[in-house]
Amino acid sequence: EIVLTQSPGTLSLSPGERATLSCRASQSVSSSYLAWYQQKPGQAPRLLIFGASSRATGVPDRFSGSGSGTDFTLTISRLEPEDFAVYYCQQYGSSFGGGTKVEIK
Amino acid sequence: QITLRESGPTLVKPTQTLTLTCTFSGFSLSTSGVGVGWVRQPPGKALEWLAVIYWNDDKRYNPSLRTRLTITKDTSKNLVVLTMTNMAPVDTATYYCARFVSALPVVAAFDVWGQGTMVTVSS
Repeated sequence: EIVLTQSPGTLSLSPGERATLSCRASQSVSSSYLAWYQQKPGQAPRLLIFGASSRATGVPDRFSGSGSGTDFTLTISRLEPEDFAVYYCQQYGSSFGGGTKVEIK
Repeated sequence: QITLRESGPTLVKPTQTLTLTCTFSGFSLSTSGVGVGWVRQPPGKALEWLAVIYWNDDKRYNPSLRTRLTITKDTSKNLVVLTMTNMAPVDTATYYCARFVSALPVVAAFDVWGQGTMVTVSS
């Protein structure tokens, strides 16, 4: 079973700043199989990125994904107020990472 | 429009079996590359993948819960059922179902989610 480890656990930033979230896999993951989700309190998760770097429909271009092998990154270029949330990575519709909370500093 | 909706009991007693139903519309589970999965989230904690069933009836389970889970589908009725045996208080969580796609334009992700259903395990 592939284990995904996300870091940091919490990221404290101000609106307008850049956010860089990490997802590390215990063994190599095909880039095609790495997805990122955003979850706000009281809501279901929302797909942001699939295939490591492709944005889902309607996702703003300030969100970008990159990486390969065991190391993947989600970058939010300039944080908007609505981007403060918890972000999860997932591999091939199975195991999730533990999440990174992006909070307002 | 694609929608999924979870239904089932809100309260179960320890040792009982939980049965959850995911009723969906806007897609077919007989379409190649499509699946429906279940994910849960204990209060204040992270998402945990449980199981997924694919268009070809292939099934995958979380290894740590494998012995307690069964996932089935009824393609004609557009529904997926998850059963979890021997429920315990630690299984208290919001349970989500979601569509999985492994074909373009979305590859290998849960692209549409239900709103979730909260299940409490308590005597």
